[in-house]
Amino acid sequence: ELKVEQNPLFLSMQEGKNYTIYCNYSTTSDRLYWYRQDPGKSLESLFVLLSNGAVKQEGRLMASLDTKARLSTLHITAAVHDLSATYFCAVDMKGLNNDMRFGAGTRLTVKP
Amino acid sequence: KAGVTQTPRYLIKTRGQQVTLSCSPISGHRSVSWYQQTPGQGLQFLFEYFSETQRNKGNFPGRFSGRQFSNSRSEMNVSTLELGDSALYLCASSLGTMPTNEQFFGPGTRLTVL
Repeated sequence: ELKVEQNPLFLSMQEGKNYTIYCNYSTTSDRLYWYRQDPGKSLESLFVLLSNGAVKQEGRLMASLDTKARLSTLHITAAVHDLSATYFCAVDMKGLNNDMRFGAGTRLTVKP
Repeated sequence: KAGVTQTPRYLIKTRGQQVTLSCSPISGHRSVSWYQQTPGQGLQFLFEYFSETQRNKGNFPGRFSGRQFSNSRSEMNVSTLELGDSALYLCASSLGTMPTNEQFFGPGTRLTVL
């Protein structure tokens, strides 16, 4: 069964610092997604990674995908308070029921 | 451009009842997917509809069903509600079928089953 594991699950960091969230998955897939969710809100799509080696950047966030290692990273540069949210990765299970599996989410808190 | 809309936003039902949730995708989007979010199970994929056909289905019992209309609007139905069905139900639309297309999520319907 496909497992998607995110770590850490909780992350508290100071403004201005850098950190990386990891997303490991247990089966072959070449499509991975990152989402942001603010408390009580819906999901916002951040990145769609469609091939091995894909790297995408938006502002202080950069996502990458290594399909051989079955690993995606979401790197935060010089964190600011507005980045406080829960971040989810999701893996496409195409070929295995054709659905998407989500990680448990990383709750990020950026402190002044 | 209007975003994805879901109705109702909040719903309270009792065990054994059935419920229908509605999702209107972004204009021009033909794919609608449904997700369940609970504190215990997290986010789980329910199903995806594209051009009125169910394309993909997650691991949920047959009590959960859906359909899509010719205008791409979608409904999700849950019959014989159980306490464990209390959740935030999210729908997402995209231009084409998942997974290659970016999904845009609606605000969700929060269902409480008493």
